[in-house]
Amino acid sequence: SYELTQPPSVSVSPGQTASITCSGDKLGTKYASWYQQKPGQSPVLVIYQDTKRPSGIPERFSGSNSGDTATLTISGTQPMDEGDYYCQAWDSIADVVFGGGTTLTVL
Amino acid sequence: QVLLVESGGGLVKPGGSLRLSCAASGFIFTDYHVTWLRQAPGKGLEFVSQISPSGSTISYVDSVKGRFTVSRDNANNALYLQMNSLRAEDSAVYYCARTPLDTTMAPYFDYWGQGTPVTVSS
Repeated sequence: SYELTQPPSVSVSPGQTASITCSGDKLGTKYASWYQQKPGQSPVLVIYQDTKRPSGIPERFSGSNSGDTATLTISGTQPMDEGDYYCQAWDSIADVVFGGGTTLTVL
Repeated sequence: QVLLVESGGGLVKPGGSLRLSCAASGFIFTDYHVTWLRQAPGKGLEFVSQISPSGSTISYVDSVKGRFTVSRDNANNALYLQMNSLRAEDSAVYYCARTPLDTTMAPYFDYWGQGTPVTVSS
């Protein structure tokens, strides 16, 4: 089976840059997406196809994917960016796969 | 605006059945795959099942194969998940999500419903 690994938690100070990684075998050959989930709410797509940002998602959210690692970067992190972040990819055998999630704390 | 509204969740005993529904609006339903995903309490996201626009292509996570059946009614912009032989480990919030699928063949989920909770317990 195909697995995606994320750090359980990331902390960042307001205004600084947060980086959340997602690791998987040859992940760079697949497309990665990222979702933000706040407590009690449904997930929201923030990055798809590695680098694309849906309409309505702030420009401070960006993504990259190379080698075995995809990265979600939040520049100028704001308190409202706190929440859980999940990476997701598609594998031809395992189908849709999610990472375990990363809790972003802004303090 | 795009709207997905799930219903049908509830409390059911192990071995029981439930049928979840997802009402879609605000987009051309037949242009999109749609997907069921779930999230157990305090856990991460998990893919459950996906269905193509015509209903001809369907996939399931291994743990639900033979127990869950996904279907769609394109005339009424609705998605369904028939869940049989339910187990405690099926307890979760179930979400439906719109799923663009272009030439990259790499699905992602651009709109999610609010979710409907399913609890399997005696």
